[in-house]
Amino acid sequence: ETGVTQSPTHLIKTRGQQVTLRCSSQSGHNTVSWYQQALGQGPQFIFQYYREEENGRGNFPPRFSGLQFPNYSSELNVNALELDDSALYLCASSLQGGTYEQYFGPGTRLTVT
Amino acid sequence: KNEVEQSPQNLTAQEGEFITINCSYSVGISALHWLQQHPGGGIVSLFMLSSGKKKHGRLIATINIQEKHSSLHITASHPRDSAVYICAALSGTYKYIFGTGTRLKVLA
Repeated sequence: ETGVTQSPTHLIKTRGQQVTLRCSSQSGHNTVSWYQQALGQGPQFIFQYYREEENGRGNFPPRFSGLQFPNYSSELNVNALELDDSALYLCASSLQGGTYEQYFGPGTRLTVT
Repeated sequence: KNEVEQSPQNLTAQEGEFITINCSYSVGISALHWLQQHPGGGIVSLFMLSSGKKKHGRLIATINIQEKHSSLHITASHPRDSAVYICAALSGTYKYIFGTGTRLKVLA
């Protein structure tokens, strides 16, 4: 069984740029959730994708967008980066219709300068 | 006020001590998830429970649905238990609401 993987592990971008983060789900999982974790804080829910459709969204602006692919891997895109976007971005996969327990990837640490 | 509150925020213990971390929530939940996060960010799932009690090794998690409260206990704590422990309430079928975490340091 392959766990959740994310790429890249670290990334430095400049304010105003765009970034794409990637996530591969655990084998057999059909749902991916994305979270933002600022330093010293708990993760905040960005959105969830199920069967390539957005299934729920937290309190994040539209410049945060996502995609899920037929193989259930996923991307998080952030446009017009701001300094406050600096954080650890976590994805988690789960099985809709199962226990809904989420399994987390190692995260991508984004620094915006 | 956060929908999921944890206490304490920081905890330092001596090796061998019994440790309790508390989580209270104010929203309706379908399950509660205890997670462990090590420096560098990786998150490991410890327990997911919707009622009663679960035990795995030296870790025990309990939940009281009526009181909207859950506890994570660590028996015979060890320095390798040092990490941030996070409780996350699963609201509905997709939305996790996280506590801010309890930073545990166990001294040898």
